[in-house]
Amino acid sequence: DQQVKQNSPSLSVQEGRISILNCDYTNSMFDYFLWYKKYPAEGPTFLISISSIKDKNEDGRFTVFLNKSAKHLSLHIVPSQPGDSAVYFCAARRNYGQNFVFGPGTRLSVLP
Amino acid sequence: EAGVAQSPRYKIIEKRQSVAFWCNPISGHATLYWYQQILGQGPKLLIQFQNNGVVDDSQLPKDRFSAERLKGVDSTLKIQPAKLEDSAVYLCASSLVKGKNIQYFGAGTRLSVL
Repeated sequence: DQQVKQNSPSLSVQEGRISILNCDYTNSMFDYFLWYKKYPAEGPTFLISISSIKDKNEDGRFTVFLNKSAKHLSLHIVPSQPGDSAVYFCAARRNYGQNFVFGPGTRLSVLP
Repeated sequence: EAGVAQSPRYKIIEKRQSVAFWCNPISGHATLYWYQQILGQGPKLLIQFQNNGVVDDSQLPKDRFSAERLKGVDSTLKIQPAKLEDSAVYLCASSLVKGKNIQYFGAGTRLSVL
């Protein structure tokens, strides 16, 4: 039972263009979402979060959009840089105190 | 601020052998997590500690996996005996308090069971 899905295993984008990573979830009780970035041989690092009371959150080049009716969120990276090449995990939590469920990840390659 | 430390970084064992992983969380972080990440999948929570008590071990295969955090600081995760399907990266993470949104991860231990 995969509650958090990232249906694109990989994505390639040209440097300077927009990267859009998608995440779908099945549990309508999820109320908080995180994106993590992972480089090879390193642990995941927190990137950006969004609460279910919002539909958008921005942090520099990174913006996360949440569409609750569609149970869908997306991470936009503008402009994309070669250093953004990594695996991106979406994670969701049911309510405060509960643990996060992670998606399988999307590997982003930003081409110079 | 030092990050989450894990050792060893890599371990290769044969099936039915035992193995142990060590984790030292960020200083002051009360909550510690162990995750298993199988290739191509996201991290799956195995066990969560709040100080030295277990909060959630519902997904820990208790017939072969065990974990402890005796003094509420560092932690060990043990597998005995290992199976082929235990090949994965074992990630340790910590957060300030239970339920705090952001978890900080270590680099992980890559286990290969032959």
